[in-house]
Amino acid sequence: DQQVKQNSPSLSVQEGRISILNCDYTNSMFDYFLWYKKYPAEGPTFLISISSIKDKNEDGRFTVFLNKSAKHLSLHIVPSQPGDSAVYFCAASVGGSNYKLTFGKGTLLTVNP
Amino acid sequence: GAVVSQHPSRVICKSGTSVKIECRSLDFQATTMFWYRQFPKQSLMLMATSNEGSKATYEQGVEKDKFLINHASLTLSTLTVTSAHPEDSSFYICSAPTREGRYGYTFGSGTRLTVV
Repeated sequence: DQQVKQNSPSLSVQEGRISILNCDYTNSMFDYFLWYKKYPAEGPTFLISISSIKDKNEDGRFTVFLNKSAKHLSLHIVPSQPGDSAVYFCAASVGGSNYKLTFGKGTLLTVNP
Repeated sequence: GAVVSQHPSRVICKSGTSVKIECRSLDFQATTMFWYRQFPKQSLMLMATSNEGSKATYEQGVEKDKFLINHASLTLSTLTVTSAHPEDSSFYICSAPTREGRYGYTFGSGTRLTVV
């Protein structure tokens, strides 16, 4: 049972435009959500997170939106840059930020110059 | 910031041999270490959770006798793949929770295991 779903395996956008990566979850107990960026043969690096008590968190070019009623979150990157090209994983946890993470399958973002 | 050093980055071994993967927390103490495995085009799947000084907790379907985890100190956790088979070929990543506010977790750089 895939509790965290990233239904788009890939996304391609033009440099300077907005990238929107989506994530859906089924476990209503999840209360902390994170986005990670991963390059091939490297471990994931943290991008941004959001607690279930919020609906938006912004950090520079990255904004995460959380819609609890729809069990949906999205990551917006604006403006997109070629260096943003990577696999983006959505992850969720129960009980705050120090509990085990459940990951989605990832979305490969390609930003074209 | 907090760093988790993972070694080796890639290893090729013969079928039937054992491989040890190390994860060291630098500049912080990791009382807990999560071990993940990622197959191509799949998500990172949690295999087990190791806690310093106690037995590891394995996820359903993960053979504890095959994937030996040791967390003998607050800065070192190891995963040993015993009697490796080609189907064990995968990308293994460790992760430790940190106390650094928004970061939450720090991942190692991963180990690409190829069993021939």
